[in-house]
Amino acid sequence: DAKTTQPPSMDCAEGRAANLPCNHSTISGNEYVYWYRQIHSQGPQYIIHGLKNNETNEMASLIITEDRKSSTLILPHATLRDTAVYYCIDRPGNQFYFGTGTSLTVIP
Amino acid sequence: DTGVSQDPRHKITKRGQNVTFRCDPISEHNRLYWYRQTLGQGPEFLTYFQNEAQLEKSRLLSDRFSAERPKGSFSTLEIQRTEQGDSAMYLCASSPRTGSYNEQFFGPGTRLTVL
Repeated sequence: DAKTTQPPSMDCAEGRAANLPCNHSTISGNEYVYWYRQIHSQGPQYIIHGLKNNETNEMASLIITEDRKSSTLILPHATLRDTAVYYCIDRPGNQFYFGTGTSLTVIP
Repeated sequence: DTGVSQDPRHKITKRGQNVTFRCDPISEHNRLYWYRQTLGQGPEFLTYFQNEAQLEKSRLLSDRFSAERPKGSFSTLEIQRTEQGDSAMYLCASSPRTGSYNEQFFGPGTRLTVL
């Protein structure tokens, strides 16, 4: 059911920007893209969402391509506490469909 | 801590027993969701409520699974005649509003182990 595609794993050096891509080529015009992350043994945590404009908050930036078929989550200065599984989600209706996400490891 | 609580945090049971989990959402949230998460997979949507009405339950895994939210506040998820394949993390989430924007706040989950 998940209609998003993400690389299974990525590494990032501490202090550098982490860029996590997501393909959501089947997204429809009124569906938001959401990003959540899940630190080991905890519930998922909301990061950011967007429809078609780029978005920024205190946690991250979200860059959505003009055709809306893909997006990139940017953690500008990754820390060790950002090590987690990151999920890109689309939301048809009122249900969230998670895929398997990207396991990000921040390396000291 | 998101404000969503789940009880118990861990449950070990024997195959064939019934189990019930409780979720207490953030008090002003009218939507409540249940998910299941197995090892190495993302959360899998099961069902959701708007107030006390269960608006989607077709994705409950079998008729052994049922959920209630009798007064539109806390919710329970029951699994009857548990099987080893039911071993997973069961997550609850709540959200504050309807419409196009829907941030879900997740609880810490209940980890079920069926022996």
